[in-house]
Amino acid sequence: EVQLVESGGGLVQPGGSLRLSCAASGFTFSSYAMSWVRQGPGKGLEWVSTISGSGGSTYYADSVKGRFSISRDNSKNTLYVQMNSLRVEDTAIYYCAKEDDSSGYYVSVNWGQGTLVTVSS
Amino acid sequence: SYELTQPPSVSVSPGQTASITCSGDRLGDRNVCWYQQKSGQSPVLVIYQDSKRPSGIPERFSGANSGSTATLTISGTQAMDEADYYCQAWDSSTAVFGGGTKLTVL
Repeated sequence: EVQLVESGGGLVQPGGSLRLSCAASGFTFSSYAMSWVRQGPGKGLEWVSTISGSGGSTYYADSVKGRFSISRDNSKNTLYVQMNSLRVEDTAIYYCAKEDDSSGYYVSVNWGQGTLVTVSS
Repeated sequence: SYELTQPPSVSVSPGQTASITCSGDRLGDRNVCWYQQKSGQSPVLVIYQDSKRPSGIPERFSGANSGSTATLTISGTQAMDEADYYCQAWDSSTAVFGGGTKLTVL
């Protein structure tokens, strides 16, 4: 059974930094791309970033480009996102998702339970 | 940047058919996914590649995509289908979600 467990969320001041982790199990982690998707309070889903299985390719939403950095440690089956220069509008639940690209494009087939990031002074 | 537009809300009576649309420029040329998110829960994939259902998703969920509009159809809607639904597509190495549609079963 696929399990994705996010951690690292919390309260941080504007301009601060935070690193989120997503521990994966139940599948061959290095064979799958992974993504971060967020959801602000009372808002819809917003894609944040995706990383290929090898870690060699990364993609970012314009809203986080230059501030967030996605990475993975395939030896630890763990996905990360380093979030710097945080803004109030980054406040959201952050989900990690396992991507399947067998159809030629990424599909988020499994999601974690999310971790809450609150950016406030 | 690419945008996907969904109606904010759709209402349906139990047992009837619900249709949720997703519009975008030449959307029919892209592959569309649909996610269901029930209150307080994580999203769940219900349709991928326009019309395919993952294992475990009931047959009453179906999808279509043509021209500029993709449609998620729920036949014989049940109370348990009440949720927010999001369409999603990729554009130039960027994933885009629609704004979401709240499906009310009443």
